[in-house]
Amino acid sequence: NAGVTQTPKFRVLKTGQSMTLLCAQDMNHEYMYWYRQDPGMGLRLIHYSVGEGTTAKGEVPDGYNVSRLKKQNFLLGLESAAPSQTSVYFCASSYNRPGSPLHFGNGTRLTVT
Amino acid sequence: DAKTTQPNSMESNEEEPVHLPCNHSTISGTDYIHWYRQLPSQGPEYVIHGLTSNVNNRMASLAIAEDRKSSTLILHRATLRDAAVYYCILRSGGSNYKLTFGKGTLLTVNP
Repeated sequence: NAGVTQTPKFRVLKTGQSMTLLCAQDMNHEYMYWYRQDPGMGLRLIHYSVGEGTTAKGEVPDGYNVSRLKKQNFLLGLESAAPSQTSVYFCASSYNRPGSPLHFGNGTRLTVT
Repeated sequence: DAKTTQPNSMESNEEEPVHLPCNHSTISGTDYIHWYRQLPSQGPEYVIHGLTSNVNNRMASLAIAEDRKSSTLILHRATLRDAAVYYCILRSGGSNYKLTFGKGTLLTVNP
């Protein structure tokens, strides 16, 4: 049982390049989330999904797009990377219940130069 | 969204109990109280959660005030491995996809 798997673990991009971060979960969770974490700060919600084929904006969605074509996968895309998007990105998933804990991946460290 | 307030940092000695407080004065009746911790260079991990009653698990205990406006995460015997940032968040029963993390409490454990 792998839990939540994020790929890649590290990536360096040049300004203007694009990339996709993949999050996969094998727990049949309905909800999936993308967060970013900057040094000394808590996690900020970028986008989330409450089910296959649905996505919604979080606190800091600008510059990112997401897709959830399959229940187990949640993709985060950067169409034109900017230095301000240098951060550590965490994916999480949970069941559709308020008492259900979030399960987090180990993060993707992205540097945009 | 109901917000939580935690101290920025706390310090403890190894093998002593640690009480991490969290205030959530605007909590609603359907909000669950969740605690997570984040070790250096890792993703957050679930610690414990509760609604009204105190809760115990292998990692910690959660004490919830009678009016539910505050809670305390209790680590019974702190170890060096417990040094982490601890987050207290509320998960709503009405719109439980909304999860807002604050800056949490940085716990330092002294040997």
